[in-house]
Amino acid sequence: NAGVTQTPKFQVLKTGQSMTLQCAQDMNHEYMSWYRQDPGMGLRLIHYSVGAGITDQGEVPNGYNVSRSTTEDFPLRLLSAAPSQTSVYFCASKVEEKLFFGSGTQLSVL
Amino acid sequence: KQEVTQIPAALSVPEGENLVLNCSFTDSAIYNLQWFRQDPGKGLTSLLLIQSSQREQTSGRLNASLDKSSGRSTLYIAASQPGDSATYLCAVRSSGTYKYIFGTGTRLKVLA
Repeated sequence: NAGVTQTPKFQVLKTGQSMTLQCAQDMNHEYMSWYRQDPGMGLRLIHYSVGAGITDQGEVPNGYNVSRSTTEDFPLRLLSAAPSQTSVYFCASKVEEKLFFGSGTQLSVL
Repeated sequence: KQEVTQIPAALSVPEGENLVLNCSFTDSAIYNLQWFRQDPGKGLTSLLLIQSSQREQTSGRLNASLDKSSGRSTLYIAASQPGDSATYLCAVRSSGTYKYIFGTGTRLKVLA
């Protein structure tokens, strides 16, 4: 997972709270993406970006916002957390079609 | 809509066996397919990438094949070792999109 850094590793929120999951990469990759991983459902794409200033929705974008102001950073924002957003979140970047993943953020919404 | 399926969900084999993991996808118009390994509590590590124009890729004891017409890919692991125990996932990028669709994975346990 060298090169893609996610913070925090663990987070507990109360319903309705907001927070930002951070993702940074130092490999100058244009493509970055966010996934959530739930038991029995595999990884599902939330949002992705093909470069600074360009973002698009994935399979499950509702409840999440993203922005891409720099090549290095791709934060994921939860504006009003819900229990259904309890999951493990992974950030990934890509070069030459190979995806590189961060180590994940385990989020619990009570 | 592309859907990716991996069967079986879990597999347990004795050390030394050769084994095959399966990945099926519903839309054959793919750009590439990638196999990943995930250890418990960790992120995913890319193992093999197969472009749509390729039939197979090899890395060490791993060989991945791709049959677009039948919507299938297989990951072959030769002479399995306990260190191969992990969850293996495949992901498909469909043509004309930047989206990667993942299967639910096969959890492999290699017994010493």
